[in-house]
Amino acid sequence: GENVEQHPSTLSVQEGDSAVIKCTYSDSASNYFPWYKQELGKRPQLIIDIRSNVGEKKDQRIAVTLNKTAKHFSLHITETQPEDSAVYFCAAGWAGTALIFGKGTTLSVSS
Amino acid sequence: DVKVTQSSRYLVKRTGEKVFLECVQDMDHENMFWYRQDPGLGLRLIYFSYDVKMKEKGDIPEGYSVSREKKERFSLILESASTNQTSMYLCASTLGSPYEQYFGPGTRLTVT
Repeated sequence: GENVEQHPSTLSVQEGDSAVIKCTYSDSASNYFPWYKQELGKRPQLIIDIRSNVGEKKDQRIAVTLNKTAKHFSLHITETQPEDSAVYFCAAGWAGTALIFGKGTTLSVSS
Repeated sequence: DVKVTQSSRYLVKRTGEKVFLECVQDMDHENMFWYRQDPGLGLRLIYFSYDVKMKEKGDIPEGYSVSREKKERFSLILESASTNQTSMYLCASTLGSPYEQYFGPGTRLTVT
């Protein structure tokens, strides 16, 4: 079955810096790669997703890149702000399967 | 807005008790999921369901069962609760696969 590895497990940056979180997946059939943000005490919420027919997607300060050949995808957050502090999860899946999540990255942005 | 609700935010049960966790979604979603979340282990899939009365095992189904008698409701059952089932349980739903999953607020279960 699918296995998703996520790195790093913790990431500390200064406000205004960029943050990058990387994930690798094992099942070449996977074609959907979402990223979820979970603030303390709250439920995970989708922040951006990408499908395998696209190499990069941007939404304001966040972007996701996908390298299908290498089976890895990354989340990029630019100009980080304290409210970006949260746990971020990557996931992978394809039609007919459940999403498999990475173990999460705790991002801390200090001002 | 999609609404996914869970029956309890906090629950304390004793070892050996039968425990029911309920999840309800109001968007006519076909697919529903149960995860448990533990520090350092992320979100691990327990069971999922693609239709009424259908269920599929996830990565960690041992000690759990599920029930989906109606499309909007997906129940997680701990047949005989044990202390290693103390965790945060999250329910999610999605219209199809693979699409955005909408999560419920979670139930923090403590088994003593």
